[in-house]
Amino acid sequence: AQSVTQPDIHITVSEGASLELRCNYSYGATPYLFWYVQSPGQGLQLLLKYFSGDTLVQGIKGFEAEFKRSQSSFNLRKPSVHWSDAAEYFCAISGYSTLTFGKGTMLLVSP
Amino acid sequence: DAGVTQSPTHLIKTRGQQVTLRCSPKSGHDTVSWYQQALGQGPQFIFQYYEEEERQRGNFPDRFSGHQFPNYSSELNVNALLLGDSALYLCASSSLNGLSYGYTFGSGTRLTVV
Repeated sequence: AQSVTQPDIHITVSEGASLELRCNYSYGATPYLFWYVQSPGQGLQLLLKYFSGDTLVQGIKGFEAEFKRSQSSFNLRKPSVHWSDAAEYFCAISGYSTLTFGKGTMLLVSP
Repeated sequence: DAGVTQSPTHLIKTRGQQVTLRCSPKSGHDTVSWYQQALGQGPQFIFQYYEEEERQRGNFPDRFSGHQFPNYSSELNVNALLLGDSALYLCASSSLNGLSYGYTFGSGTRLTVV
């Protein structure tokens, strides 16, 4: 069975500082990997996805993620956080056609 | 280009009642999946519809049922509502033959059971 672990429930970052959100997955083969962002009371917006090829993936809003097969990880990064990035971030895996999500990491941005 | 549309946005139901939630997929998508997101949790897969049939199902009881129409829109029905069914219900559409394009989510229906 596939699973996703996001070890950090909450992270607080100062505006302008760099960000890294951790994601580890369990799956028997190379999965499809996704990062979604959710603002309060809203649906999910896709930030980026990895299917194959270059292990460094660029997404929207200045986010990027790196797939590391040896570590079963797909960490999300941003070089400089803006106050508008405060939201909940979900890592997800898809082995065929459905998504399995982690429990999410809430990002708080301090001034 | 309209994305995924869900209705209603909010509703309140009494324990034991039945509820129907609706979803219109993104133009060009033929597959609809439903997810339940409890407060403070990640979304959990309920089931997926393609060609008007349920193709996959998550670990949800038979009280949860669905339907897909010829225009690809979908309904989620929940019978005999329990307090624990209170959650945000998300609909996601995709193209079965274009999975690389990913899933598009609607804004969800917030269901409160009292």
